[in-house]
Amino acid sequence: GAGVSQSPRYKVAKRGQDVALRCDPISGHVSLFWYQQALGQGPEFLTYFQNEAQLDKSGLPSDRFFAERPEGSVSTLKIQRTQQEDSAVYLCASSLARMGEDEKLFFGSGTQLSVL
Amino acid sequence: QKEVEQDPGPLSVPEGAIVSLNCTYSNSAFQYFMWYRQYSRKGPELLMYTYSSGNKEDGRFTAQVDKSSKYISLFIRDSQPSDSATYLCAMSAIDSGTASKLTFGTGTRLQVTL
Repeated sequence: GAGVSQSPRYKVAKRGQDVALRCDPISGHVSLFWYQQALGQGPEFLTYFQNEAQLDKSGLPSDRFFAERPEGSVSTLKIQRTQQEDSAVYLCASSLARMGEDEKLFFGSGTQLSVL
Repeated sequence: QKEVEQDPGPLSVPEGAIVSLNCTYSNSAFQYFMWYRQYSRKGPELLMYTYSSGNKEDGRFTAQVDKSSKYISLFIRDSQPSDSATYLCAMSAIDSGTASKLTFGTGTRLQVTL
């Protein structure tokens, strides 16, 4: 595709519900990142994949958050037993290479999650 | 105290003005410095990418990094209404083999008026 695609665009969940957010990176991009952006704040790092390997998950807020990228392409961020504090925009980004200028990140438009 | 500090604004300037945006940071390990532009309900878009100290120019945009003062700036010349957006500074150290584990500032909302 032309860019990073995220779905759904908006998600409303009842507290306690499980949600799954999908990211389709740009074809051929090796690295994939998830960021969380609260209202009025900058994005915060959640986790990072290189191909199918999850190399860093230090930003995941709790063990309710889980991310996977089983075939090194599409990624899913799953949040179990959602809480109100999980309400945020979840941004996915991908890049062509590991280091240097080619590591330019391309962001999707995000999934806006609202937990009621 | 946050690792990266950025004035949230809003900043309102007339069309054609020079805009100065800046961030301060506390982590000496940061080596990569970026500026992103984010329009409402869109993801951030990379504007400028600088490694270590120095200046970088691209069209109407100039990025400056002063590592000794832990201070980075973005200048926009001849500002246009289409520049109205939130500008996010971001920075990173070499971590997990990537420079894209970014620490962002809060973002500064810029409004360029006719």
